[in-house]
Amino acid sequence: QVQLQESGPGLVKPSQTLSLTCTVSGGSISSGPYYWSWIRQPAGKGLEWIGHIYSSGSANYNPSLKSRVTISGDTSKNQFSLKLTSVTAADTAVFYCARVSYHYGYMDVWGKGTTVTVSS
Amino acid sequence: EIVLTQSPGTLSLSPGERATFSCRASQSVSSSYLAWYQQKPGQAPRLLIYGASSRATGIPDRFSGDGSGTDFTLTISRLEPEDFAVYYCQQFGSSPPYTFGQGTKLEIK
Repeated sequence: QVQLQESGPGLVKPSQTLSLTCTVSGGSISSGPYYWSWIRQPAGKGLEWIGHIYSSGSANYNPSLKSRVTISGDTSKNQFSLKLTSVTAADTAVFYCARVSYHYGYMDVWGKGTTVTVSS
Repeated sequence: EIVLTQSPGTLSLSPGERATFSCRASQSVSSSYLAWYQQKPGQAPRLLIYGASSRATGIPDRFSGDGSGTDFTLTISRLEPEDFAVYYCQQFGSSPPYTFGQGTKLEIK
Protein backbone atom coordinates (compact mmCIF):
# COMPACT_ATOMS: atom_id res chain seq x y z
CA GLN A 1 0.00 0.00 0.00
CA VAL A 2 1.00 3.62 -0.37
CA GLN A 3 3.27 4.97 2.34
CA LEU A 4 4.62 8.48 2.90
CA GLN A 5 7.73 9.49 4.83
CA GLU A 6 8.78 13.02 5.71
CA SER A 7 12.44 13.98 6.01
CA GLY A 8 14.44 17.12 6.62
CA PRO A 9 16.21 19.16 9.28
CA GLY A 10 14.63 19.20 12.70
CA LEU A 11 16.05 22.60 13.56
CA VAL A 12 15.95 25.76 11.45
CA LYS A 13 17.20 29.21 12.40
CA PRO A 14 14.86 32.20 12.32
CA SER A 15 14.68 34.00 8.96
CA GLN A 16 16.02 30.93 7.15
CA THR A 17 14.21 28.52 4.83
CA LEU A 18 12.56 25.35 6.06
CA SER A 19 12.90 22.51 3.54
CA LEU A 20 11.17 19.15 3.85
CA THR A 21 10.77 16.21 1.51
CA CYS A 22 8.06 13.57 1.40
CA THR A 23 9.03 10.25 -0.16
CA VAL A 24 6.16 8.20 -1.55
CA SER A 25 6.37 4.42 -1.79
CA GLY A 26 3.84 1.92 -3.12
CA GLY A 27 2.39 4.44 -5.57
CA SER A 28 3.39 7.19 -7.98
CA ILE A 29 2.92 10.92 -7.46
CA SER A 30 2.60 11.28 -11.22
CA SER A 31 -0.52 9.13 -11.44
CA GLY A 32 -3.84 10.61 -10.47
CA PRO A 33 -6.27 11.23 -9.21
CA TYR A 34 -4.56 12.62 -6.14
CA TYR A 35 -3.15 15.77 -4.72
CA TRP A 36 -0.06 15.56 -2.54
CA SER A 37 -0.30 17.85 0.43
CA TRP A 38 1.55 19.36 3.37
CA ILE A 39 -0.19 19.99 6.71
CA ARG A 40 1.30 21.29 9.93
CA GLN A 41 0.37 21.12 13.59
CA PRO A 42 1.94 23.27 16.32
CA ALA A 43 2.36 21.46 19.60
CA GLY A 44 -0.97 21.08 21.38
CA LYS A 45 -2.87 22.81 18.58
CA GLY A 46 -4.95 21.96 15.54
CA LEU A 47 -4.17 21.11 11.94
CA GLU A 48 -3.37 23.68 9.26
CA TRP A 49 -3.36 22.89 5.55
CA ILE A 50 -0.27 24.43 3.94
CA GLY A 51 -0.79 23.50 0.31
CA HIS A 52 -0.75 20.73 -2.25
CA ILE A 53 0.58 19.76 -5.63
CA TYR A 54 -1.13 17.82 -8.36
CA SER A 55 0.47 15.27 -10.65
CA SER A 56 0.62 17.91 -13.38
CA GLY A 57 2.84 20.02 -11.18
CA SER A 58 0.24 22.68 -10.47
CA ALA A 59 0.04 23.78 -6.86
CA ASN A 60 -2.37 25.52 -4.50
CA TYR A 61 -1.41 27.20 -1.27
CA ASN A 62 -3.01 28.48 1.89
CA PRO A 63 -3.40 32.23 1.28
CA SER A 64 -2.05 32.90 4.77
CA LEU A 65 1.27 31.32 3.78
CA LYS A 66 1.27 31.80 0.03
CA SER A 67 4.00 34.44 -0.08
CA ARG A 68 6.42 32.12 1.74
CA VAL A 69 5.55 28.63 0.47
CA THR A 70 6.61 26.56 -2.51
CA ILE A 71 5.60 22.94 -3.04
CA SER A 72 7.24 21.03 -5.86
CA GLY A 73 7.45 17.47 -7.09
CA ASP A 74 10.24 15.23 -8.37
CA THR A 75 8.69 12.37 -10.29
CA SER A 76 12.06 10.70 -10.89
CA LYS A 77 12.47 10.25 -7.14
CA ASN A 78 8.75 9.94 -6.41
CA GLN A 79 9.02 12.76 -3.90
CA PHE A 80 7.42 16.11 -3.27
CA SER A 81 8.91 18.92 -1.26
CA LEU A 82 8.01 21.90 0.86
CA LYS A 83 9.95 25.13 1.16
CA LEU A 84 8.88 27.74 3.68
CA THR A 85 10.93 30.93 3.69
CA SER A 86 11.59 33.54 6.36
CA VAL A 87 10.58 31.25 9.22
CA THR A 88 9.91 32.43 12.75
CA ALA A 89 9.22 30.63 16.01
CA ALA A 90 5.55 30.59 15.00
CA ASP A 91 6.41 28.10 12.27
CA THR A 92 7.56 25.51 14.83
CA ALA A 93 5.32 22.49 14.33
CA VAL A 94 4.96 18.88 13.34
CA PHE A 95 4.78 18.76 9.56
CA TYR A 96 2.84 16.01 7.83
CA CYS A 97 2.64 15.04 4.19
CA ALA A 98 -0.54 13.38 2.98
CA ARG A 99 -2.27 12.01 -0.09
CA VAL A 100 -5.50 13.83 -0.94
CA SER A 101 -8.38 12.53 -3.01
CA TYR A 102 -8.65 14.71 -6.11
CA HIS A 103 -12.41 14.36 -6.31
CA TYR A 104 -13.41 14.53 -2.67
CA GLY A 105 -10.56 16.22 -0.86
CA TYR A 106 -10.11 13.74 1.94
CA MET A 107 -6.62 12.84 3.17
CA ASP A 108 -6.45 9.07 3.26
CA VAL A 109 -2.73 8.39 3.62
CA TRP A 110 -0.47 10.32 5.99
CA GLY A 111 3.19 10.28 6.84
CA LYS A 112 4.15 9.88 10.48
CA GLY A 113 5.14 13.53 10.69
CA THR A 114 8.39 15.32 11.40
CA THR A 115 9.00 17.95 14.04
CA VAL A 116 10.63 21.18 12.95
CA THR A 117 11.76 23.69 15.54
CA VAL A 118 12.65 27.24 14.61
CA SER A 119 15.23 28.52 17.02
CA SER A 120 18.61 30.20 17.02
CA GLU B 1 -12.29 31.12 4.03
CA ILE B 2 -14.69 28.54 5.41
CA VAL B 3 -14.36 28.29 9.20
CA LEU B 4 -15.29 25.00 10.82
CA THR B 5 -16.35 25.20 14.47
CA GLN B 6 -16.42 21.96 16.43
CA SER B 7 -18.31 21.37 19.63
CA PRO B 8 -17.92 20.51 22.36
CA GLY B 9 -14.27 21.25 22.97
CA THR B 10 -14.02 18.26 25.27
CA LEU B 11 -16.35 15.30 25.64
CA SER B 12 -16.10 13.17 28.80
CA LEU B 13 -17.71 9.76 28.43
CA SER B 14 -17.30 6.16 29.52
CA PRO B 15 -16.67 3.09 27.40
CA GLY B 16 -19.92 1.72 26.06
CA GLU B 17 -21.56 5.14 25.84
CA ARG B 18 -22.53 7.00 22.68
CA ALA B 19 -20.44 9.96 21.49
CA THR B 20 -21.69 12.74 19.25
CA PHE B 21 -19.43 15.37 17.74
CA SER B 22 -20.62 18.50 15.97
CA CYS B 23 -18.96 20.42 13.14
CA ARG B 24 -20.55 23.65 11.97
CA ALA B 25 -19.35 25.51 8.89
CA SER B 26 -19.40 29.28 8.40
CA GLN B 27 -20.88 28.72 4.94
CA SER B 28 -22.37 25.79 3.12
CA VAL B 29 -20.06 22.87 2.37
CA SER B 30 -20.89 20.21 -0.15
CA SER B 31 -21.39 16.92 1.65
CA SER B 32 -18.96 15.36 -0.79
CA TYR B 33 -16.18 17.44 0.67
CA LEU B 34 -16.55 16.93 4.42
CA ALA B 35 -14.29 14.47 6.23
CA TRP B 36 -13.60 13.38 9.80
CA TYR B 37 -10.29 12.27 11.32
CA GLN B 38 -9.14 10.70 14.57
CA GLN B 39 -5.78 11.62 16.07
CA LYS B 40 -4.09 9.92 19.01
CA PRO B 41 -1.11 11.45 20.84
CA GLY B 42 2.10 11.27 18.86
CA GLN B 43 0.35 9.91 15.78
CA ALA B 44 -0.78 11.30 12.46
CA PRO B 45 -4.50 11.81 11.91
CA ARG B 46 -6.44 8.82 10.57
CA LEU B 47 -9.27 9.21 8.09
CA LEU B 48 -12.57 7.95 9.51
CA ILE B 49 -15.32 9.39 7.32
CA TYR B 50 -15.36 11.06 3.90
CA GLY B 51 -18.18 12.48 1.87
CA ALA B 52 -19.85 13.30 5.22
CA SER B 53 -21.12 9.74 5.71
CA SER B 54 -18.88 7.16 4.01
CA ARG B 55 -16.60 5.12 6.23
CA ALA B 56 -12.97 4.86 5.17
CA THR B 57 -11.41 1.47 4.60
CA GLY B 58 -11.09 -0.54 7.80
CA ILE B 59 -13.15 1.79 9.97
CA PRO B 60 -15.57 -0.07 12.27
CA ASP B 61 -19.28 0.42 11.73
CA ARG B 62 -19.71 1.97 15.17
CA PHE B 63 -18.44 5.16 13.49
CA SER B 64 -21.00 7.05 11.42
CA GLY B 65 -21.28 10.49 9.87
CA ASP B 66 -24.23 12.61 8.84
CA GLY B 67 -25.17 16.11 7.88
CA SER B 68 -25.38 18.60 5.07
CA GLY B 69 -25.03 22.29 4.36
CA THR B 70 -23.43 23.82 7.42
CA ASP B 71 -24.09 21.17 10.08
CA PHE B 72 -22.32 17.84 10.25
CA THR B 73 -22.14 15.16 12.93
CA LEU B 74 -19.84 12.27 13.75
CA THR B 75 -21.28 9.58 16.00
CA ILE B 76 -19.59 6.68 17.75
CA SER B 77 -22.39 4.34 18.73
CA ARG B 78 -20.65 2.51 21.55
CA LEU B 79 -17.27 3.68 22.75
CA GLU B 80 -14.34 1.31 22.88
CA PRO B 81 -11.22 2.11 24.97
CA GLU B 82 -9.21 2.79 21.79
CA ASP B 83 -11.65 5.51 20.65
CA PHE B 84 -10.46 8.08 23.17
CA ALA B 85 -8.60 10.62 21.06
CA VAL B 86 -9.04 13.99 19.35
CA TYR B 87 -11.45 14.24 16.42
CA TYR B 88 -11.25 16.78 13.59
CA CYS B 89 -13.56 17.69 10.76
CA GLN B 90 -12.15 19.00 7.48
CA GLN B 91 -13.62 20.62 4.38
CA PHE B 92 -12.37 20.72 0.83
CA GLY B 93 -14.30 23.46 -0.87
CA SER B 94 -14.14 25.07 -4.26
CA SER B 95 -11.11 27.17 -3.38
CA PRO B 96 -8.34 27.18 -0.78
CA PRO B 97 -7.72 27.19 2.03
CA TYR B 98 -8.97 23.74 2.90
CA THR B 99 -9.66 24.01 6.57
CA PHE B 100 -9.94 21.86 9.66
CA GLY B 101 -12.04 22.37 12.74
CA GLN B 102 -10.20 23.06 15.98
CA GLY B 103 -10.86 19.54 17.23
CA THR B 104 -12.88 17.83 19.96
CA LYS B 105 -11.06 15.85 22.62
CA LEU B 106 -12.82 12.69 23.71
CA GLU B 107 -11.65 11.76 27.19
CA ILE B 108 -12.48 8.94 29.56
CA LYS B 109 -14.89 9.94 32.30
